[in-house]
Amino acid sequence: NIVMTQSPKSMSISVGDRVTMNCKASQNVYNNIAWYQQKPGQSPKLLIYYASNRYNGVPDRFTGSGYGTDFTLTINSVQAEDAAFYYCQRIYNSPFTFGSGTKLEIK
Amino acid sequence: EVQLVESGGGLVQPGRSLKLSCAASGFTFSNYYMAWVRQAPKKGLEWVATISTSGSRTYYPDSVKGRFTISRDNAKSSLYLQMNSLKSEDTATYYCARHTMGPYYFDYWGQGVMVTVSS
Repeated sequence: NIVMTQSPKSMSISVGDRVTMNCKASQNVYNNIAWYQQKPGQSPKLLIYYASNRYNGVPDRFTGSGYGTDFTLTINSVQAEDAAFYYCQRIYNSPFTFGSGTKLEIK
Repeated sequence: EVQLVESGGGLVQPGRSLKLSCAASGFTFSNYYMAWVRQAPKKGLEWVATISTSGSRTYYPDSVKGRFTISRDNAKSSLYLQMNSLKSEDTATYYCARHTMGPYYFDYWGQGVMVTVSS
């Protein structure tokens, strides 16, 4: 079964900084990756699909990249409201496995 | 406006069964794959089940295969999750989620319903 490994587990960033988080698939998933943001007490929200496509209404400071097994979510000029957990997910083929998440804290 | 509203959660004893429901509105339900995703307390997201538009195809991870059954009633715009032989590790918030047209990403999520498995 496919495993999605996210790193780092957590990070603490200042407002205005750039942040990069990673997702590594245990096998080739082509560009079949989505990224979600989950704030405390809320349901997850879709940010990025097919590795690099920004979903409707998502600020352009969020950028996804990668192909095959290695993927990256970058947030340029982090804002206070970006404090959340971020999850990658394999899509298109079952199992639709999630990564374990990266917690982003704002200093 | 797309809405997904889960119901049916609660406290259940280990080994017993529980059925969750998800009422969908604001879109043509029969055109979309649907799914359940769960999140144990203070843990990450875990995909639980997916069903095709007609209900003819279902998909599960090994952790719930044989115990959980996903189904749908397109006439009622409703999604269900029958959970049998429940274990303490099934304790979680269960989210109903809409796949895009096809088994792709989840573009809408419900607010979640809590299931607690405990004696």
